[in-house]
Amino acid sequence: SQKIEQNSEALNIQEGKTATLTCNYTNYSPAYLQWYRQDPGRGPVFLLLIRENEKEKRKERLKVTFDTTLKQSLFHITASQPADSATYLCALDRGSSNTGKLIFGQGTTLQVKP
Amino acid sequence: DVKVTQSSRYLVKRTGEKVFLECVQDMDHENMFWYRQDPGLGLRLIYFSYDVKMKEKGDIPEGYSVSREKKERFSLILESASTNQTSMYLCATGGSSGRGPRVRPYEQYFGPGTRLTVT
Repeated sequence: SQKIEQNSEALNIQEGKTATLTCNYTNYSPAYLQWYRQDPGRGPVFLLLIRENEKEKRKERLKVTFDTTLKQSLFHITASQPADSATYLCALDRGSSNTGKLIFGQGTTLQVKP
Repeated sequence: DVKVTQSSRYLVKRTGEKVFLECVQDMDHENMFWYRQDPGLGLRLIYFSYDVKMKEKGDIPEGYSVSREKKERFSLILESASTNQTSMYLCATGGSSGRGPRVRPYEQYFGPGTRLTVT
């Protein structure tokens, strides 16, 4: 069956360092992958989308890579700040075409310490 | 900015009650979704609607139904609430899935969530 895995252990880093979060998937051939941020008690907020033919995407301090051979996406936050502390979710369209129905990973919680 | 609102932030209901959760979006998006989120299980899709009066089951539709009479409004109904339906419920909206080369993937916009407790 289709599966998305994110590191369930919280990631603790020092302010100013680069945070790297991992998303692995199996039994998929997704056309694109998305990353969301979720703060406690709130709904997820969209951050970035990367297509299968894009190796890397950047937005301000955020960078996402997508390796369809390894079936993995890496999400980087450079010069991290305490305000970046949140849970980060990756999501894939469950079809190989654009069905619009996403499957979400369980998320990785990032804690940035001042 | 897309705005997705949900009728309640917190709700407490008794076992057996019929519960209505309402979601309204203001961006004219065709697709709307209901998820529940539980610790250790992540976000799970309950139902999906791609047009008015159209609906499709998600991964965990048992015990739930939905209604979409207007494009901007998508309701989740718990026919007879049970304690195992205690959860955070999240509504989301997105563009049109459609088909063909002009279709582009889209992000989903979430509401603030309703934390439902069934006692």
